[in-house]
Amino acid sequence: GAGVSQSPSNKVTEKGKDVELRCDPISGHTALYWYRQSLGQGLEFLIYFQGNSAPDKSGLPSDRFSAERTGGSVSTLTIQRTQQEDSAVYLCASSLDPGRDYGYTFGSGTRLTVV
Amino acid sequence: AQTVTQSQPEMSVQEAETVTLSCTYDTSESDYYLFWYKQPPSRQMILVIRQEAYKQQNATENRFSVNFQKAAKSFSLKISDSQLGDAAMYFCAYRSDSGGSNYKLTFGKGTLLTVNP
Repeated sequence: GAGVSQSPSNKVTEKGKDVELRCDPISGHTALYWYRQSLGQGLEFLIYFQGNSAPDKSGLPSDRFSAERTGGSVSTLTIQRTQQEDSAVYLCASSLDPGRDYGYTFGSGTRLTVV
Repeated sequence: AQTVTQSQPEMSVQEAETVTLSCTYDTSESDYYLFWYKQPPSRQMILVIRQEAYKQQNATENRFSVNFQKAAKSFSLKISDSQLGDAAMYFCAYRSDSGGSNYKLTFGKGTLLTVNP
């Protein structure tokens, strides 16, 4: 696609429920990042995918968070047993080759509200 | 670990005037990149300007320019002739040039810029 697409745009869920957030990167972009933006905070790195390499999960805040990337394209971030502190905007970004190309294209994010 | 600090949570400027947003960072690396991103209400992060640390010359993009002071680890953004469309949250970001970092961006907490007509 022309840009990075994220769905849903907004999600309200009850505490304790599981949620799935989707990111569809730009076609051909091998690198994909997930970030979390909590209220009043900057973006916090969550996870990084690059081609077929093992993902860098060093930013995931707890084992309730997981992500996968199928076929080197679409990625899904899953949050299990959601808590109120999980409320945030979750942003996805893709890059053609972050080592050489300094461009990152961001999606418009998913605003998650846990009630 | 690298950190990025934006000391101004909010700034305001009159239309057509100039405003400077501050950013400092901490790193022990010599090769890195610095960015300013703009986030309007649509939430999409838009690249405003980029600076390579090995370049002494300050980057400029039309009305946007930076003052990069490597020794002081300072990277401020100057917006000239401010326009209503410049109103947004601005984030300063750091990126290592080391592949071991996976080239992830480290962001400051942002500065909310208001442009008054």
